[in-house]
Amino acid sequence: EVQLVESGGGLVQPGGSLRLSCVASGFDLSSHWIHWVRHRPGKGLLQVSEINSDGRITNHADSVKGRFTISRDNAKNTVFLQMNSLRAEDTAVYYCVRGSHGWNGVDYWGQGALVTVSS
Amino acid sequence: DIVLTQAPLSSPVTLGQPASISCRSSQSLVHSDGNTYLNWLQQRPGQPPRLLIYKISNRFSGVPDRFSGSGAGTDFTLKISRVEAEDVGVYYCLHSTQFPHTFGQGTKLEIK
Repeated sequence: EVQLVESGGGLVQPGGSLRLSCVASGFDLSSHWIHWVRHRPGKGLLQVSEINSDGRITNHADSVKGRFTISRDNAKNTVFLQMNSLRAEDTAVYYCVRGSHGWNGVDYWGQGALVTVSS
Repeated sequence: DIVLTQAPLSSPVTLGQPASISCRSSQSLVHSDGNTYLNWLQQRPGQPPRLLIYKISNRFSGVPDRFSGSGAGTDFTLKISRVEAEDVGVYYCLHSTQFPHTFGQGTKLEIK
């Protein structure tokens, strides 16, 4: 069974940092792109970052560029999202999402990690 | 970024009746590989999103055949042939043609 389990969310002050982790199981992580998608309260879904299967290609949305960094450790079946200089508008549920194999998209979603940026 | 516009934003439906959701894109979703990466997600209350339909009309693993997708170019539709109680939730269209992937605003399906 494909599973993606996020951790590392919590309450942080503006300007602070958090590191989200996504542990994958039930499939070969090294064969898949991984994406982070966030859902802000009362707002829509936003693809924040993506990373290719070997970690050499990364992309970040303009709203987080320079502050967020996606990385991965395939040997540990884990993908990370380092979030620095956090703002109130980064408050959201962050989902780890698996890139599909064989077509350009996403398929399985984790349960999500809540990040709250507030003083 | 590509903008996806869904309609309606709310859809009260009687159990057993059909439902239809539209998704319009601000530009063509045809990828350079010839595929159109327009997908549909379902988010039930308290759950993460779940993939229903990919590449316009392909049902994902485990998705009931009462769900179907159609469309081309910039206009797409998700149809539920007979709505069941478990279909309550929010439905999103999502394109994955280029970065960033973007999502429609969501359509809330509720039972009358």
